[in-house]
Amino acid sequence: DQQVKQNSPSLSVQEGRISILNCDYTNSMFDYFLWYKKYPAEGPTFLISISSIKDKNEDGRFTVFLNKSAKHLSLHIVPSQPGDSAVYFCAAVDSGSARQLTFGSGTQLTVLP
Amino acid sequence: DAGITQSPRYKITETGRQVTLMCHQTWSHSYMFWYRQDLGHGLRLIYYSAAADITDKGEVPDGYVVSRSKTENFPLTLESATRSQTSVYFCASSESESTDTQYFGPGTRLTVL
Repeated sequence: DQQVKQNSPSLSVQEGRISILNCDYTNSMFDYFLWYKKYPAEGPTFLISISSIKDKNEDGRFTVFLNKSAKHLSLHIVPSQPGDSAVYFCAAVDSGSARQLTFGSGTQLTVLP
Repeated sequence: DAGITQSPRYKITETGRQVTLMCHQTWSHSYMFWYRQDLGHGLRLIYYSAAADITDKGEVPDGYVVSRSKTENFPLTLESATRSQTSVYFCASSESESTDTQYFGPGTRLTVL
């Protein structure tokens, strides 16, 4: 039973447009969320995070939105660039009881020039 | 060069053989983690360690053994490899609790024939 779900295995967008990657979770105890980016033949790298006390966190072209009532978060990339083409993993943690990240299955983003 | 390294990067072995995957980090991070990445499952935690000589099971620990005699090393051993353990294995480290950024190694692609 996957507690963190990324229902879109792939997404293609044009360069300069907005990319929106979605993530849903089922565990209401999750209170901290992260996005990681992964290029082929490399390990994942941290991108951006958000605490459950916030509903938005921004870092340059990347913004994460959290909707706790819907148990949904999304990553917006504006404007999208070809170098953003990668697999994006959503991850969540219940910081009160666990030291483990629970990852989604990932979304392959392709930014077309 | 500082960072987190994994060896070997690629390994082919046969069913029933013992295999050890190595992980080394130069940051003196307290926490270290082993994940496996499989299509459709994202990253799943195998084992983690909060400090030298302290290890704990993750989501999918069966068939794996870990040790942490030194802070900088966290080897993962498959005592009797099975085909279902064919996967890409990632090691990660972080300074403290799970809400801290985890830094991933480049991965080891293991094939069990």
